[in-house]
Amino acid sequence: EIVMTQSPATLSVSPGERTTLSCRASQSVSSNLAWYQQKPGQAPRLLIYGASTRATGIPARFSGSGSGTEFTLTISSLQSEDFAVYYCQQYNNWPPSTFGPGTKVDIK
Amino acid sequence: EVQVLESGGGLVQPGGSLRLSCAASGFTFSSYAMSWVRQAPGKGLEWVSAITGSGGSTFYADSVKGRFTISRDSSKNTLYLQMNSLRAEDTAVYYCAKCHTGSYYMTYWGQGTLVTVSS
Repeated sequence: EIVMTQSPATLSVSPGERTTLSCRASQSVSSNLAWYQQKPGQAPRLLIYGASTRATGIPARFSGSGSGTEFTLTISSLQSEDFAVYYCQQYNNWPPSTFGPGTKVDIK
Repeated sequence: EVQVLESGGGLVQPGGSLRLSCAASGFTFSSYAMSWVRQAPGKGLEWVSAITGSGGSTFYADSVKGRFTISRDSSKNTLYLQMNSLRAEDTAVYYCAKCHTGSYYMTYWGQGTLVTVSS
C-alpha cells in the first residue's frame, strides 16, 4: 500500500498571501495524484487531478505540480473562502486508493 | 447537474448490519465507476470501496473486506453499500462519489451519511 504524507499539518496564512502545500508518496505514483478541499461540515471538492489539471470551475489561483513522489499545491493569493483542509490522493497503485492526512489552512 | 445523495445511515449496535444507498442523477450512471469514502469524526478521508460502471468488478479496503459489499442498480441509478459485522471503528460519515472515467479519483461527492456503531 502506498502511504501518502502531507506537510505541514497546519498552515497559518494571511489573506492575500501565497501558500504552498506539500504531498509525498512512499513510492512513485507517476502523475496520478489528486487534490481535494474540504470545509467544515461539507463534502470534499475536487480541485486538481493528474497532479496539475484544475477541475471544472476551480479558480486559476489554485495550481498543482510534481510527479513521481513529490507534489505541491499552490494557492497564489489566499481568499477567505480558501481556509479549509486540503487532502492529496494517489490513484496510481490501487486498490487501495490512499489519501494523505490533510493540511489545515487557517487564518493567521 | 451531477448529484449524488446518500441515505441509510444511523445508529447500529456492534455486530449489526446497515445498508447505505446513493441515488445518482445528472449523468449516465452505468458509464462511471463509483466509490465509497468514509471519514471518522475529526479524522481524515479513507477510501472504502469502488465498483466499475458495469458492476462487473468490485474493490475493497482491507479494513472492510469480507464485511462490506458494494453493488449498483443501473435501472434505479443507485449505488449501495451493505455493511455487516459492524465495529465501533466503522463509525464515520460515509460519502458516495462519482469517479472519473478510467481513473479512480472522485469528481463529485455527496453530502454524506453518518453511521454510528455503538451499544
